[in-house]
Amino acid sequence: EAGVAQSPRYKIIEKRQSVAFWCNPISGHATLYWYQQILGQGPKLLIQFQNNGVVDDSQLPKDRFSAERLKGVDSTLKIQPAKLEDSAVYLCASSLAQGDYEQYFGPGTRLTVT
Amino acid sequence: QQQVKQSPQSLIVQKGGISIINCAYENTAFDYFPWYQQFPGKGPALLIAIRPDVSEKKEGRFTISFNKSAKQFSLHIMDSQPGDSATYFCAASYSNYQLIWGAGTKLIIKP
Repeated sequence: EAGVAQSPRYKIIEKRQSVAFWCNPISGHATLYWYQQILGQGPKLLIQFQNNGVVDDSQLPKDRFSAERLKGVDSTLKIQPAKLEDSAVYLCASSLAQGDYEQYFGPGTRLTVT
Repeated sequence: QQQVKQSPQSLIVQKGGISIINCAYENTAFDYFPWYQQFPGKGPALLIAIRPDVSEKKEGRFTISFNKSAKQFSLHIMDSQPGDSATYFCAASYSNYQLIWGAGTKLIIKP
């Protein structure tokens, strides 16, 4: 079974530029999560999708972050414009269904904003 | 009340020793307590999990001990090996299924 795929693995941008991350969850997994992991901290949930609908985006900084999962499969997370404090690893995870506690994580995208 | 407090921040254990990581929570509505293991450059991976109706769960060398009255749970790694060197996160969840994460413990096993 293929795992959660993410790209790119690394990205370096200057502040005020825009960036997009892509995630392909495990086949058949209805629930998709985006997390932000700052160095030395646990992951922080940004947004949770159930199929192509948003379940929770209460911690997503909506003035600069956006995410979509148009066909209920893969997803993109965008930051525009980026700030220095956005430097972090962005993790995508998926689970079989809402209510399924086990989440499977991708390798993450390490973003550096200079 | 939403926090999960994890300690220690870092831990060095000799090969063959027992590694112990502790977590504490406040919200009594939490009903699922997983431990995740994360290697550098990788995403977290579920290691072992427990629900509050049991006091202990063991899988191989990994054991979760759960104390409902004290609102604490811990991960014990028996016969610790260099390959166990990683960052370990405890977490907690309740009915909305969102995981509330601890800050992580960087474990180093010395050969």
